[in-house]
Amino acid sequence: QSVLTQPPSVSAAPGQKVTISCSGSTSNIGNNSVSWYQQPPGAAPKLLIYDNTKRPSGIPDRFSGSKSGTSATLGITGLQTGDEADYYCGTWDGGLNGVVFGGGTRLTVL
Amino acid sequence: EVQLVQSGAEVKKPGESLKISCKGSGYSFSSFWIGWVRQMPGKGLEWMGIIYPGDSDTRYSPSFQGQVTISADKSITTAYLQWSSLKASDTAMYYCARRVEGAAAPYDYWGQGTLVTVSS
Repeated sequence: QSVLTQPPSVSAAPGQKVTISCSGSTSNIGNNSVSWYQQPPGAAPKLLIYDNTKRPSGIPDRFSGSKSGTSATLGITGLQTGDEADYYCGTWDGGLNGVVFGGGTRLTVL
Repeated sequence: EVQLVQSGAEVKKPGESLKISCKGSGYSFSSFWIGWVRQMPGKGLEWMGIIYPGDSDTRYSPSFQGQVTISADKSITTAYLQWSSLKASDTAMYYCARRVEGAAAPYDYWGQGTLVTVSS
């Protein structure tokens, strides 16, 4: 059971938009910045979003992040088959004194 | 170019010891934290702990405290994760990742992963 809650899976057609939610509490998301990571099958995770909304260099603006209270959301527009991957949210948890991740959401582009 | 290159896959027996490595290049190794993340087969990411190579300040997740040892040798820009007595439940992919300053800071570069298989 992960500290951060994500839906196990989401799916949408190419070109469509999808959102992935990440729910936490005041000890984690409520008081800390959220990052999002993309993990394609068989590959290492890759930073997608940091500080709730920022994109590292090289990440297209099709990917966006937001945060409100104790929840965060990753949005992906203009879906491509190459976006199929597992997506994880992560942040610091002051109560657990460690980094916590969501359980991951598998994106399928139909 | 920032790179974290991890050591190769390992197959070990229960009770054996193991030390895997993560070599950083393309940046000031001493100035960035290096974290370790476990991913068990078919499961999600679990944070194990982190080290600051500049002074070897190390923090562990309560779940992994006492189970593993994290260390670093800044002279050869390499971080390590080691076990003194492996268990079958240690079978997993292990990733190292670089973090900037700040507990909630992101992990911006990741190693390719080291697969550890523990089986009798």
